[in-house]
Amino acid sequence: EAGVVQSPRYKIIEKKQPVAFWCNPISGHNTLYWYLQNLGQGPELLIRYENEEAVDDSQLPKDRFSAERLKGVDSTLKIQPAELGDSAVYLCASSFMGETQYFGPGTRLLVL
Amino acid sequence: RKEVEQDPGPFNVPEGATVAFNCTYSNSASQSFFWYRQDCRKEPKLLMSVYSSGNEDGRFTAQLNRASQYISLLIRDSKLSDSATYLCVVTRPGNQFYFGTGTSLTVIP
Repeated sequence: EAGVVQSPRYKIIEKKQPVAFWCNPISGHNTLYWYLQNLGQGPELLIRYENEEAVDDSQLPKDRFSAERLKGVDSTLKIQPAELGDSAVYLCASSFMGETQYFGPGTRLLVL
Repeated sequence: RKEVEQDPGPFNVPEGATVAFNCTYSNSASQSFFWYRQDCRKEPKLLMSVYSSGNEDGRFTAQLNRASQYISLLIRDSKLSDSATYLCVVTRPGNQFYFGTGTSLTVIP
């Protein structure tokens, strides 16, 4: 069974530029999570979807971050404009009915 | 107060040693508990779930103390390949997952 797929794996952009990350969860997983992870820290939730509904986006900086999961399957996370402090690893995870989470390989973002 | 707190370490132990990590959680309504392992520059992967009765998987033993709100992970006979960061994870109803900052382990030859 295919795992969680993310792309791109690496992204380098200049500050103020837009960037988008894509995630395809494990087939059948209704819950999708986007996390941000800084070096030496645990993953921090940005947004959680139950099917196509964003049920927890309280930690998403909505002035510059947006996300969508239009058909309840794959999802896109966007940053516009990116800031230096956005440099981090962006992890996508999925689970079925809130059971064990499975993570994708992450997108490593560097903002210059 | 953070939902989940872990000693970040680092723990540097010789091969064959026994090492234990603890994790505390703040919300008594927490539902499920896990240990994840994260290798350098990789994604977190489930190591084991943690049950009230305690559970063992080979050299790894996980325990949960609901009264004191802490979780532990014991690794016996440490191997070089055990070097990683170990993340404590706690869930609450509504599919909410909370991660600790992780505990770094290096097993030294």
